[in-house]
Amino acid sequence: AQSVAQPEDQVNVAEGNPLTVKCTYSVSGNPYLFWYVQYPNRGLQFLLKYITGDNLVKGSYGFEAEFNKSQTSFHLKKPSALVSDSALYFCAVHPGGAAGNKLTFGGGTRVLVKP
Amino acid sequence: DAGITQSPRYKITETGRQVTLMCHQTWSHSYMFWYRQDLGHGLRLIYYSAAADITDKGEVPDGYVVSRSKTENFPLTLESATRSQTSVYFCASAAGPHEQYFGPGTRLTVT
Repeated sequence: AQSVAQPEDQVNVAEGNPLTVKCTYSVSGNPYLFWYVQYPNRGLQFLLKYITGDNLVKGSYGFEAEFNKSQTSFHLKKPSALVSDSALYFCAVHPGGAAGNKLTFGGGTRVLVKP
Repeated sequence: DAGITQSPRYKITETGRQVTLMCHQTWSHSYMFWYRQDLGHGLRLIYYSAAADITDKGEVPDGYVVSRSKTENFPLTLESATRSQTSVYFCASAAGPHEQYFGPGTRLTVT
């Protein structure tokens, strides 16, 4: 069975500093990996995905993520955090290939960017 | 307007009552999903559908019923609501095995 771990419940960072949100996964084969962001009282918004190809993927709002197969990780990064990046972030994994379309989500990491 | 919508956005109901949450998408996506979001549990899949008239159970299906007679609609029914079903419910859709697009959510309180 596939699983996703987000080891930090909350990440605090000062505005302008680099932001990293960690994600590790457990799935056989070649997974598809996703990051979503949720602002208060809103649905999840898609940020970026890794399907294949370059291990560094760029997404919305200046976010990027690096796929590391040997470490089974897909950490989300932003070089310079903004107060408006404060939100709940979810990592998700799909087993890849013709395996239906069910995603498994991590428990979420709350990001707080302080001015 | 294009997108995915949910109704109602907020609902208070009593234990034992039947309640239906609606989900509508305008993209003609094949896949649709229902999740619930609870503190400490993240997002959990209730039911999903690969196409009209095709539905399957997710992680927490007990107490819920779904149907999908049309591609664009995917209603979720709580047959006899319980307090444990107090949650925020999200509907999502996807064209294939890639990103899902989420609705704004329905906050359901069962008293």
